[in-house]
Order: sequence, then C-alpha cells, then structure tokens
Amino acid sequence: NAGVTQTPKFQVLKTGQSMTLQCAQDMNHNSMYWYRQDPGMGLRLIYYSASEGTTDKGEVPNGYNVSRLNKREFSLRLESAAPSQTSVYFCASSEGYYSNQPQHFGDGTRLSIL
Amino acid sequence: GIQVEQSPPDLILQEGANSTLRCNFSDSVNNLQWFHQNPWGQLINLFYIPSGTKQNGRLSATTVATERYSLLYISSSQTTDSGVYFCAVERSRGSTLGRLYFGRGTQLTVWP
Repeated sequence: NAGVTQTPKFQVLKTGQSMTLQCAQDMNHNSMYWYRQDPGMGLRLIYYSASEGTTDKGEVPNGYNVSRLNKREFSLRLESAAPSQTSVYFCASSEGYYSNQPQHFGDGTRLSIL
Repeated sequence: GIQVEQSPPDLILQEGANSTLRCNFSDSVNNLQWFHQNPWGQLINLFYIPSGTKQNGRLSATTVATERYSLLYISSSQTTDSGVYFCAVERSRGSTLGRLYFGRGTQLTVWP
C-alpha cells in the first residue's frame, strides 16, 4: 500500500508564482489534513477536510487555499508565493475527524520560495 | 488552542542506553499521538495513546490524562532511533475538537 502520496517532493519557486501541492491517500480515509513544518517547530495545521465535500481553516491558513477533489485527493494551493511560505509541507489522513484514530503522513514536500 | 511542551529538547545517548521523553499538555485531551521523524524527514506514527500504557518492541508509552502528561520510553537505544520525537494532542472540548496540536519535539541522537 502506498498510504499517503505527496507530489512533488521538492520545488523551488520565485516570489509571486503560484503552485499546487497534490496529496492522495489509498486507505479509504474520510479526513485529510495539510500541515507545515518550519525549522525547530512542530507541525502546524493549515487546512483540513473532515469529510469529502468539506474544508475548514486550521491554525495558519493565510496565503493558502485547498480543494477536496474527491475522497482520495486533497490539494493545497499557493496563489502568490511569499518567502515566508518556505517550509516543508505534510499531508495526512485519518479514518475520521472525530474518530480519535491515528493520523498517517506523507513524506512531505520541501518548498523553497526565493 | 492548547499548549504542548516536550522535554528535553535535545538528548544525546550512546547505543544501548535507555531514555524517557516527556510531553506535558495544558488541557484535557481525548487524543494523544507520538511520532518519530527520521533523519530523512518521514513522520512515523508510533503510538495512539490517549490514556494508559502501550508497548511496541523496545518502545513503550504511558499517558496519565488526569495529570496531563505522557511519557515515551526507549530502551536499549539504537542508532536507527535517532531523529525527532513529536507529541501531538487533541483537546477533548471546544471549537478545536478534532484538531491535533504538536509540541516542538525532542531531538534524539544515538551514537554507536
């Protein structure tokens, strides 16, 4: 099983460019999440989708948009990239938002904005 | 939100040593998870442990929810245990129900 798959693994952008990070899970999970990890920090939640057809803001949503394309896929878009968005981005999924079940993470996307 | 504090921030061990990592949190939780981030950046879920004790090989974890802390024990450490260990919790009440909050992690280095 692939679990949670993120693409791309690395990306370099110039300030002002746009980009979409892709995430897909094959575990038939209902809930999906996007986090960012900055040096010396734990993960912070950007957006989440408790179930197909719903999305909601997390701790740090400014500058991002998301789309829950179907049950498997959850994408994160940067409309106008800024250097402050240089980070490692992780996608995760879980059985259900209120299910108190473990979250499973993808391998991350390392994004640098120049 | 909820405050999650992990200690120590850094830990250096010789192979074979035992260690205890601590996670304190500031509110009632119904979900607590321990993760290991390996040197390649991958996050592995070690334990889902909102209360009680669990063991998996050389690793075990205990959460005392009433006293708002959790402990991760690593016995007979190996170089492959190196990496960052994160604790993440979910509040059991309020508007942030369902949301995981991460601590800053404990950086573990195991030398051969």
